[in-house]
Amino acid sequence: QKEVEQDPGPLSVPEGAIVSLNCTYSNSAFQYFMWYRQYSRKGPELLMYTYSSGNKEDGRFTAQVDKSSKYISLFIRDSQPSDSATYLCAMSRQGAQKLVFGQGTRLTINP
Amino acid sequence: EPEVTQTPSHQVTQMGQEVILRCVPISNHLYFYWYRQILGQKVEFLVSFYNNEISEKSEIFDDQFSVERPDGSNFTLKIRSTKLEDSAMYFCASRSLMNTEAFFGQGTRLTVV
Repeated sequence: QKEVEQDPGPLSVPEGAIVSLNCTYSNSAFQYFMWYRQYSRKGPELLMYTYSSGNKEDGRFTAQVDKSSKYISLFIRDSQPSDSATYLCAMSRQGAQKLVFGQGTRLTINP
Repeated sequence: EPEVTQTPSHQVTQMGQEVILRCVPISNHLYFYWYRQILGQKVEFLVSFYNNEISEKSEIFDDQFSVERPDGSNFTLKIRSTKLEDSAMYFCASRSLMNTEAFFGQGTRLTVV
């Protein structure tokens, strides 16, 4: 079983739709959860950061962590064509240096 | 807004040659990282560096790889004898002492021919 699993998509939705992106993981020691956005041939850009379980909201973005199910989500409200990118989940253990990434989900928002 | 900068943006090298990839982390950050992303694959951790020494490394980071912080601002990744399979995007990242969020540079695309 992969440590972090993420459906690579592609996912295509109309502008204005609510987008739901998800990752599952197998290592219960993960405590820190991040979502990055990556445009083609660019570096990952940090979008959301969450420690342990719970929700976090920032503008149109909401991150959820359910540690009991080992499941994290990113919701994008009122999606825009500029949100079209690959979204990467990443996580790390307490005290660990490295981030473990998912495969990334390629998202296209159609005008 | 402070950012991680990487040079060059694209490097083409012949198999067996040495390459050095350069990074300038965010100025008050103390943890530095290299990751790589082979085309179409996930971002993979290579190495972390803190207090002038390697703090963690992956299986990928073998004897062909080394890292250095030669001065107060630069952080480099050296590949001694490049192989075709080293072709990838290489990302530098940094974070501060108090926060876990890592910030990434734009990457260096390494092509080994």
